Amino acid sequence: TQLLEQSPQFLSIQEGENLTVYCNSSSVFSSLQWYRQEPGEGPVLLVTVVTGGEVKKLKRLTFQFGDARKDSSLHITAAQPGDTGLYLCAGAAGTGNQFYFGTGTSLTVIP
Amino acid sequence: NAGVTQTPKFRVLKTGQSMTLLCAQDMNHEYMYWYRQDPGMGLRLIHYSVGEGTTAKGEVPDGYNVSRLKKQNFLLGLESAAPSQTSVYFCASSYSNVRGGFYEQFFGPGTRLTVL
Repeated sequence: TQLLEQSPQFLSIQEGENLTVYCNSSSVFSSLQWYRQEPGEGPVLLVTVVTGGEVKKLKRLTFQFGDARKDSSLHITAAQPGDTGLYLCAGAAGTGNQFYFGTGTSLTVIP
Repeated sequence: NAGVTQTPKFRVLKTGQSMTLLCAQDMNHEYMYWYRQDPGMGLRLIHYSVGEGTTAKGEVPDGYNVSRLKKQNFLLGLESAAPSQTSVYFCASSYSNVRGGFYEQFFGPGTRLTVL
């Protein structure tokens, strides 16, 4: 089992604040994905990072893949209530079609 | 285009009963997966399939069986349900983004199963 640890597990912040969520492992992944999940629904893919050191931006969200492809971070600038949800990272192993999910970070943005 | 659908949405079983969860996708994806989600543990892979007629074990396969007789369907069976199988079950399908060199997963809405 390739363990992916996310931190923090829970995060409650005021609207307008910045935050960073971390996804760490001792294993190397061929790619890493970030998902957001809302209550009662399935996860929805936000981004995939493939190359070590890669940085991708999606509006106010910035994703980074570690140089060694073992860790990743998600930074949200000026958080909004609509960002509330469970954020999951998932690392692709083997031939890239098997995914190991992190433990999740539950974010609440208070208006 | 419905994407990934799962039936049923909710189910309550008694210990020892059996049931089958159905997952269907209309995106012509080759790969399909069954996960379970428990509080504080993210999603864990139960079984997966890389094509019609093929299946493979994931992280937590014990107590579950699967079949992929048609490309668009992936069935998850519990032969003798146990309280430890109380969970939310998600099905996903994926395709290979050849240009990007990775796989993108699409998830269904989940099935909430309670075993008493």
